[in-house]
Amino acid sequence: GQQVMQIPQYQHVQEGEDFTTYCNSSTTLSNIQWYKQRPGGHPVFLIQLVKSGEVKKQKRLTFQFGEAKKNSSLHITATQTTDVGTYFCAVFGNEKLTFGTGTRLTIIP
Amino acid sequence: DADVTQTPRNRITKTGKRIMLECSQTKGHDRMYWYRQDPGLGLRLIYYSFDVKDINKGEISDGYSVSRQAQAKFSLSLESAIPNQTALYFCATSDFRSGYLHNEQFFGPGTRLTVL
Repeated sequence: GQQVMQIPQYQHVQEGEDFTTYCNSSTTLSNIQWYKQRPGGHPVFLIQLVKSGEVKKQKRLTFQFGEAKKNSSLHITATQTTDVGTYFCAVFGNEKLTFGTGTRLTIIP
Repeated sequence: DADVTQTPRNRITKTGKRIMLECSQTKGHDRMYWYRQDPGLGLRLIYYSFDVKDINKGEISDGYSVSRQAQAKFSLSLESAIPNQTALYFCATSDFRSGYLHNEQFFGPGTRLTVL
């Protein structure tokens, strides 16, 4: 399956600050998905990106797919305590979804 | 989501024991998956099934086996559990719709397994 590197592994931010996690691949990706896992919970699908240069927004969350379709990012504006959790990117290839290692976001009130 | 259920939710067992983790879904999806989650390693695919007669190995299938008893049920077995199989196990489902590259996966609540 396709490999993706996700950085950073951990991020601690003050409430109200912005947060970004990145997903990078050495090969061109057909699509990329993002999931959120709350502490003690299970991964929940957020969004799927398929087009080169695609940008999608969900309230304070902005998702981007790179022009070369080799990287993606999730940006959260003005974090809130409800944003706490681990964010995973996932890429589809060979009929399988391969997950990045995740970025764990903690919020300092 | 209640649509995908896993039993048991927690299990403590001893080395060498046989363990079965069960997954049921009411979403009507054909595709089902078993993942293992370890801290810092993300979710790794153990086995997946596209229908009752189609079972495929994932990234880390050694030491595990599966059974797809029906469209709605997919079980994961550890024939002889060992301590490094201590992890959080997730079942997931997805639908297949012609024309889509891939669809989102819906995860069960997870089973926390400890092998002593």
